[in-house]
Amino acid sequence: QQQVKQSPQSLIVQKGGISIINCAYENTAFDYFPWYQQFPGKGPALLIAIRPDVSEKKEGRFTISFNKSAKQFSLHIMDSQPGDSATYFCAAIGSTGTASKLTFGTGTRLQVTL
Amino acid sequence: GAGVSQSPRYKVAKRGQDVALRCDPISGHVSLFWYQQALGQGPEFLTYFQNEAQLDKSGLPSDRFFAERPEGSVSTLKIQRTQQEDSAVYLCASSLGGDSLEKLFFGSGTQLSVL
Repeated sequence: QQQVKQSPQSLIVQKGGISIINCAYENTAFDYFPWYQQFPGKGPALLIAIRPDVSEKKEGRFTISFNKSAKQFSLHIMDSQPGDSATYFCAAIGSTGTASKLTFGTGTRLQVTL
Repeated sequence: GAGVSQSPRYKVAKRGQDVALRCDPISGHVSLFWYQQALGQGPEFLTYFQNEAQLDKSGLPSDRFFAERPEGSVSTLKIQRTQQEDSAVYLCASSLGGDSLEKLFFGSGTQLSVL
């Protein structure tokens, strides 16, 4: 059972453009939503995260938008750079029960072209 | 070390062999997780330790998979009688404590290929 659905599977964006990756979740017990960035041959690294008490969080060029009623959240990468080319995973975790383990989406492979 | 260290980096096993994968978490980190990442997929939870106690092993796919952390630091994931479907990257992650699951640090993983 896939508890976090992520799209698109792959994304090509020109340098300077906006990259948008979407995720949807099912388990209402999730209360923390991180995004991870993974380069080839490396483990995932925490990029930015949000809790459902806010609708948006911005850190530099990275912004998370959160829609609690729709159970959806998205990552926006502004002014995308070739160095942003990586695989991005959304994830979710809750504090109790079945939600108390980090559950990942299937990943989006982002390529930023010159 | 400065980060989570995993060894070996690559492991090739013949079907039916036993393998052991090692994880050295960040010093002082109480929580340790193992994840399995199939090619082109997101990591999937295998098991979780708090110190030496294995609190959750619900993600282990079969009884051929066994994990331990006897002294609350280094952990070993053992796979017995490996099968081709076990081929994946095995990721280890650690965090400071139970309330800091959000600040999870991952190692680079062990890529297991079963032939």
